[in-house]
Amino acid sequence: AQKVTQAQTEISVVEKEDVTLDCVYETRDTTYYLFWYKQPPSGELVFLIRRNSFDEQNEISGRYSWNFQKSTSSFNFTITASQVVDSAVYFCALSEAKGNNDMRFGAGTRLTVKP
Amino acid sequence: GAVVSQHPSRVICKSGTSVKIECRSLDFQATTMFWYRQFPKQSLMLMATSNEGSKATYEQGVEKDKFLINHASLTLSTLTVTSAHPEDSSFYICSVMIGYGYTFGSGTRLTVV
Repeated sequence: AQKVTQAQTEISVVEKEDVTLDCVYETRDTTYYLFWYKQPPSGELVFLIRRNSFDEQNEISGRYSWNFQKSTSSFNFTITASQVVDSAVYFCALSEAKGNNDMRFGAGTRLTVKP
Repeated sequence: GAVVSQHPSRVICKSGTSVKIECRSLDFQATTMFWYRQFPKQSLMLMATSNEGSKATYEQGVEKDKFLINHASLTLSTLTVTSAHPEDSSFYICSVMIGYGYTFGSGTRLTVV
């Protein structure tokens, strides 16, 4: 079964700092999908990005960027010029093309951005 | 985009009673839905995979007789927590796979007193 590791439990930064959230995954499937979600205090999951295993291009969306490296099985997420509104728990997740297509989440990283 | 409606958003029940949580796909048919549970300050843990017209598949350690899942139609899956106890207090959230992406319900915060 797939596994996702987010080693950083909590990160605290001051506004305008850049911050990178790490995600390392394990899978035996050659076709898989990686995700990042944001979970604010309200609890709902906010979709940020989906990447399939055949697309290693890095992506930038505004202040957000993602670095996907199959060689190290990592899918890291960087927030540039962080803002207080970025404070939330961020989850990295993986689903495999084979089997149930169920999604497995990492433990999450709680990001606090202080003014 | 695809919408998944989950109700109720919050529920408080007495210990020993049962609670039903509904997850509806509003504008598409969902043959498979996933149910997750999230304890405070923890990650989302997959409880079961709900399949329309057949029995749900439960993850190891999840009691199927306690967490009853019914997926009787292509737009509705229900999770019933039977004989709830305080340790069942948690955030329950459903999910549907659409194409290669997933849509999540808004979650149900269950408190058992």
